[in-house]
Amino acid sequence: GQNIDQPTEMTATEGAIVQINCTYQTSGFNGLFWYQQHAGEAPTFLSYNVLDGLEEKGRFSSFLSRSKGYSYLLLKELQMKDSASYLCAVMDSNYQLIWGAGTKLIIKP
Amino acid sequence: GAVVSQHPSRVICKSGTSVKIECRSLDFQATTMFWYRQFPKQSLMLMATSNEGSKATYEQGVEKDKFLINHASLTLSTLTVTSAHPEDSSFYICSARAGGPQETQYFGPGTRLLVL
Repeated sequence: GQNIDQPTEMTATEGAIVQINCTYQTSGFNGLFWYQQHAGEAPTFLSYNVLDGLEEKGRFSSFLSRSKGYSYLLLKELQMKDSASYLCAVMDSNYQLIWGAGTKLIIKP
Repeated sequence: GAVVSQHPSRVICKSGTSVKIECRSLDFQATTMFWYRQFPKQSLMLMATSNEGSKATYEQGVEKDKFLINHASLTLSTLTVTSAHPEDSSFYICSARAGGPQETQYFGPGTRLLVL
């Protein structure tokens, strides 16, 4: 079966750095997406990785290792507004998005 | 760019009535639109995929006669929840994609449905 694993909840301090991990087992791979979802709102796109390595976009970076079935989202200089759920999604061989359950990130002052 | 809107944002209806939710891509042509449902504290669940001008493809377990999807143009898709029941109360989110399967999906703001 297809499976996406990410931690249920993480807590970090304002101004710090946090890494949210995602491991996946899917039938084929056509890219990995990270989305941010604030409570009660729809997800917003953060990043897309299809090749191994690190993609940096401002305070957010996303890393992918296809051989390990592993990705992480790195958030730097955390702000209170970063408190949200972070969803990892993998596009499989049928170009379907397989969603993780999301990681709820709590930022403390 | 890549803005998707949904209407209404929130709807309360009586059991047995039908509710229509609109999803529009405002600044791009969406060859494919997706409808998701999300229950509290759960991940997104894909309900159906629709391509402009053709019938929607429903996921297993989703009743096509209950959740009617129309993708009449490259910028508009509608989801109609027919004969709604309290268990249909959920957060319904659409997303839209321009171009091929590897393109990013952009999400609408979601519609919160409460069936009394």
